[in-house]
Amino acid sequence: DAGVIQSPRHEVTEMGQEVTLRCKPISGHNSLFWYRQTMMRGLELLIYFNNNVPIDDSGMPEDRFSAKMPNASFSTLKIQPSEPRDSAVYFCASSRGQGLNTEAFFGQGTRLTVV
Amino acid sequence: AQSVTQLGSHVSVSEGALVLLRCNYSSSVPPYLFWYVQYPNQGLQLLLKYTSAATLVKGINGFEAEFKKSETSFHLTKPSAHMSDAAEYFCAVSEAGGFKTIFGAGTRLFVKA
Repeated sequence: DAGVIQSPRHEVTEMGQEVTLRCKPISGHNSLFWYRQTMMRGLELLIYFNNNVPIDDSGMPEDRFSAKMPNASFSTLKIQPSEPRDSAVYFCASSRGQGLNTEAFFGQGTRLTVV
Repeated sequence: AQSVTQLGSHVSVSEGALVLLRCNYSSSVPPYLFWYVQYPNQGLQLLLKYTSAATLVKGINGFEAEFKKSETSFHLTKPSAHMSDAAEYFCAVSEAGGFKTIFGAGTRLFVKA
């Protein structure tokens, strides 16, 4: 299994531009999570899906952030418009489901820099 | 509500010394507990997990953790630190029936030669 695949690995964009981060979860996993990691705030859960349905988006910082999961093998996190304070590493993770099956498998992350 | 507290944002040990990373949890029901490790420029990966089968859990790379219900703790230990253990370590908790994992703030481990 290739694990959770994220693209791009690095993204540099100018303030005001739209940014789209992509994630392919592990096949057979039915929960998908988007996290943001910064030095100041640590690891933050932004949103998670179960069976392609958003369950909890309370961690999404602002309306500029949106996430979709159109099918079981693909998810996007979009920031529009981007701001310098959005600079962070964004991780996607997937898991099999509930309880013990919440063991999360993380992608390598996307390092976003907004200038 | 679940929560996890990791005591000490930074821990420094000498190579060959004992590693002890502390984690306390709060959960209204018996939890599932995890330790993850993050090496530089990588995602988190699972070190070990507590599933109620045994209170002492052994993980990869010589790490182990002991679940102590009376202390609501799940501390991570390794008898002898190696330079390659330098990384950030996260304690995490989830509940039966829950979908999400709650992560602690992380502890960065430094290993001195």
